[in-house]
Amino acid sequence: NAGVTQTPKFRVLKTGQSMTLLCAQDMNHEYMYWYRQDPGMGLRLIHYSVGEGTTAKGEVPDGYNVSRLKKQNFLLGLESAAPSQTSVYFCASSYRGYNQPQHFGDGTRLSIL
Amino acid sequence: AQSVTQPDIHITVSEGASLELRCNYSYGATPYLFWYVQSPGQGLQLLLKYFSGDTLVQGIKGFEAEFKRSQSSFNLRKPSVHWSDAAEYFCAVGNAGGTSYGKLTFGQGTILTVHP
Repeated sequence: NAGVTQTPKFRVLKTGQSMTLLCAQDMNHEYMYWYRQDPGMGLRLIHYSVGEGTTAKGEVPDGYNVSRLKKQNFLLGLESAAPSQTSVYFCASSYRGYNQPQHFGDGTRLSIL
Repeated sequence: AQSVTQPDIHITVSEGASLELRCNYSYGATPYLFWYVQSPGQGLQLLLKYFSGDTLVQGIKGFEAEFKRSQSSFNLRKPSVHWSDAAEYFCAVGNAGGTSYGKLTFGQGTILTVHP
């Protein structure tokens, strides 16, 4: 049982390059989330999805886009990477409902030079 | 807007000592509260959660937390810390309601160091 799988685990980009982070979950969860984690700031929500074909902005959405074409996958895109986007990115998923715990992947460490 | 404060950035305890990690939240109605633990290089793992009912909740790995509405707190405790408990701990709050969609607000985290 894989749970939530994020690929890649590490990536180094140059400023202005683009890339896509993939999150896959095998728990048939309705809700999926993308967070970024920066030292001393906890986790901040970038975008989230409440079902296939739906996405919504979180707390820090600027510079990111997302897509959820399949229920099990949630993609996070950086169109033109900036050094300020250097961070650790976490994907999470949960069942429908406001009291369901979120299940997290192991993260993607992204450096923008 | 809801918010979470973890006053202690870094705590050091000796193995076998008791532990209390503080969490204060700001939210108008009854919150939904969680504690997660993150080991180095890993994702977050759920330790315990509070939704309603008994204000003392038990979690995995021998952890417990107490919800105190009057103090807007949800502190995490463990009676005897093990070296394997060294990690970063996050408190998070969510809210009820159809449009919350399970979104959480996280505290800044508390790093726990355990001395042998």
